[in-house]
Amino acid sequence: AQTVTQSQPEMSVQEAETVTLSCTYDTSESDYYLFWYKQPPSRQMILVIRQEAYKQQNATENRFSVNFQKAAKSFSLKISDSQLGDAAMYFCACENNNDMRFGAGTRLTVKP
Amino acid sequence: KAGVTQTPRYLIKTRGQQVTLSCSPISGHRSVSWYQQTPGQGLQFLFEYFSETQRNKGNFPGRFSGRQFSNSRSEMNVSTLELGDSALYLCASSLWPSYEQYFGPGTRLTVT
Repeated sequence: AQTVTQSQPEMSVQEAETVTLSCTYDTSESDYYLFWYKQPPSRQMILVIRQEAYKQQNATENRFSVNFQKAAKSFSLKISDSQLGDAAMYFCACENNNDMRFGAGTRLTVKP
Repeated sequence: KAGVTQTPRYLIKTRGQQVTLSCSPISGHRSVSWYQQTPGQGLQFLFEYFSETQRNKGNFPGRFSGRQFSNSRSEMNVSTLELGDSALYLCASSLWPSYEQYFGPGTRLTVT
C-alpha cells in the first residue's frame, strides 16, 4: 500500500501571507489520486483540493494550489492570502485501488 | 443535500463488549469508507464499500468488520473491544471510488 509523509507537524503563517505545506508519498502504482483535506477544530474533514496523477497541470482551487512533482513524488499545498479560517489540521492523502492513505497531518496556525 | 451522517456521535463501552456504528452517505453516493483517527496513529484506513461489496481493507484485525446495505448505508462493527480501540471513527462517502470523499462528523468511541 502507498505511504504518505508530512514532515511538518506544525506550521504558522501571518494573516494575508502565503504558506506551503509539504507532502511526499510513495506508491508503486501509476494510476492514483492525491488529495489535501482540512480538519478544523470542529473535526469535520473537508476536501481542499484533488489531483489526478495522470494530469500534469497543477490543481488550483481559489487561494489553494498544489505543486505536483510526480517524479519526485511530491505534492505540496500552497495557501495564498491566508485567512484566520484556514487554521486547521491539513492532511495529505493518496488513493489507489479504493485504498486511501493519509499523512500524519500538519497543524496550521494563522496569526492575526 | 444532507451531508454524511454518523450515529451515534459519542459512545462509551467497556472492554470486551461489541459496538456497531452507523453511517448514512450523501444521497446518490455509492462508495463508503471508514477510518480510525487517534492522536498516536493518525488517520488509518479501515475499509471501503461500493455497491454492497467490500473492495479494500486496511491493516486491522478481524474484530473490525463492516457491511453496506442496498441503500448505501453502512455499518461497522467492532467486537471484543480493547482499550486501544478508543478513537474517532470517521465515515466518508463518494459518488464513485477515487472521487473526492465527503466526511461525516465522526463517532467518538471511548472504551473503558
